[in-house]
Amino acid sequence: DAGVIQSPRHEVTEMGQEVTLRCKPISGHDYLFWYRQTMMRGLELLIYFNNNVPIDDSGMPEDRFSAKMPNASFSTLKIQPSEPRDSAVYFCASSGVGTQETQYFGPGTRLLVL
Amino acid sequence: SQKIEQNSEALNIQEGKTATLTCNYTNYSPAYLQWYRQDPGRGPVFLLLIRENEKEKRKERLKVTFDTTLKQSLFHITASQPADSATYLCALPQDPGGSYIPTFGRGTSLIVHP
Repeated sequence: DAGVIQSPRHEVTEMGQEVTLRCKPISGHDYLFWYRQTMMRGLELLIYFNNNVPIDDSGMPEDRFSAKMPNASFSTLKIQPSEPRDSAVYFCASSGVGTQETQYFGPGTRLLVL
Repeated sequence: SQKIEQNSEALNIQEGKTATLTCNYTNYSPAYLQWYRQDPGRGPVFLLLIRENEKEKRKERLKVTFDTTLKQSLFHITASQPADSATYLCALPQDPGGSYIPTFGRGTSLIVHP
């Protein structure tokens, strides 16, 4: 398996623009997580899905952030409009039956909002 | 929710020595605790999981201990090598109800000098 795949790896955008981050979890995994990592706050859980259904989005910072999982192999995290304080590394992770405690992370998307 | 404390200062050691990293937590004792490794520009990678009824777990040069009385886990790397240089994160379940959703510590940077 290729592991968790994220795209793009790097994104530079201007304040006010819409940003869409994409994730393909490991095949067969039924949990998908979106995290944000910054020096100030460390690794923060934004939202997670179980069987494509959003379970807890209490970590989403505000209404500018939204996430979807239309099927078991694809998820998006959208920021609209983006702000400079959204600059961070965004990770997607997945976990599966029999190994739910362990999370497998993607390489991350490094977002810079100017 | 759980609060996790890891030393924010980098640990510098000489090649061949044993590195020991600490993870302290407050509140409830978790059913298990995990350690992840994160290299610059990459996502965290799972290393070891230790359950509450286990005092110690080993994997090659890695050893993890779990003291629920002290609310502490120690992570040891014996015969350390420069390739072990990375940030090490500890993670615990977000709540005591058997959740698979982790909370991550901020991590401790390990630097092994040749």
